Amino acid sequence: GENVEQHPSTLSVQEGDSAVIKCTYSDSASNYFPWYKQELGKGPQLIIDIRSNVGEKKDQRIAVTLNKTAKHFSLHITETQPEDSAVYFCAAHKSTGRRALTFGSGTRLQVQP
Amino acid sequence: DTEVTQTPKHLVMGMTNKKSLKCEQHMGHRAMYWYKQKAKKPPELMFVYSYEKLSINESVPSRFSPECPNSSLLNLHLHALQPEDSALYLCASSREWTGTGELFFGEGSRLTVL
Repeated sequence: GENVEQHPSTLSVQEGDSAVIKCTYSDSASNYFPWYKQELGKGPQLIIDIRSNVGEKKDQRIAVTLNKTAKHFSLHITETQPEDSAVYFCAAHKSTGRRALTFGSGTRLQVQP
Repeated sequence: DTEVTQTPKHLVMGMTNKKSLKCEQHMGHRAMYWYKQKAKKPPELMFVYSYEKLSINESVPSRFSPECPNSSLLNLHLHALQPEDSALYLCASSREWTGTGELFFGEGSRLTVL
């Protein structure tokens, strides 16, 4: 099955700095890569996603890049704000077989004011 | 309305109790999911319903029994649970069950089994 590794497990940055979270996946048949943000006491919420036919996608301060050859994708948050503090999960979906996401282990991002 | 509503928010039960978790969405989504999340871990898929039919059961013990009475409602019946079943139970929905659509999660039901 698919395996998704996520690093780092914790990340602390100063407000205004950039944050980068990286994920690698094992199955080259994976074709969809979402990122979910989970704030304390809430369920995860989709913040951005990318499909395998695209190399980069941006939405205001967040961007995701995908390197299919290396089988890794990254979340970039610029100009971080305290409200970006949360746990971020990457995930991957394989185009064949079971229609379910495989989540990474999560990154706890702390933005220091 | 882009909400998935879960009740109760907190539940404490003994190992011999029977209780149920409820989930509701009014977005017209045809796929609904139960996930289990332990502290500092990602959500783990338990069940998927597509058009009110059980489509995935991730080898979940029979003490967890899902039910989808209609396209807006999803229940999880709990019986004879173990302390290790204590976790946050998340319900989610998506427009269709494709694996590539946005999942809308509720805030979860935090279950403690004594």
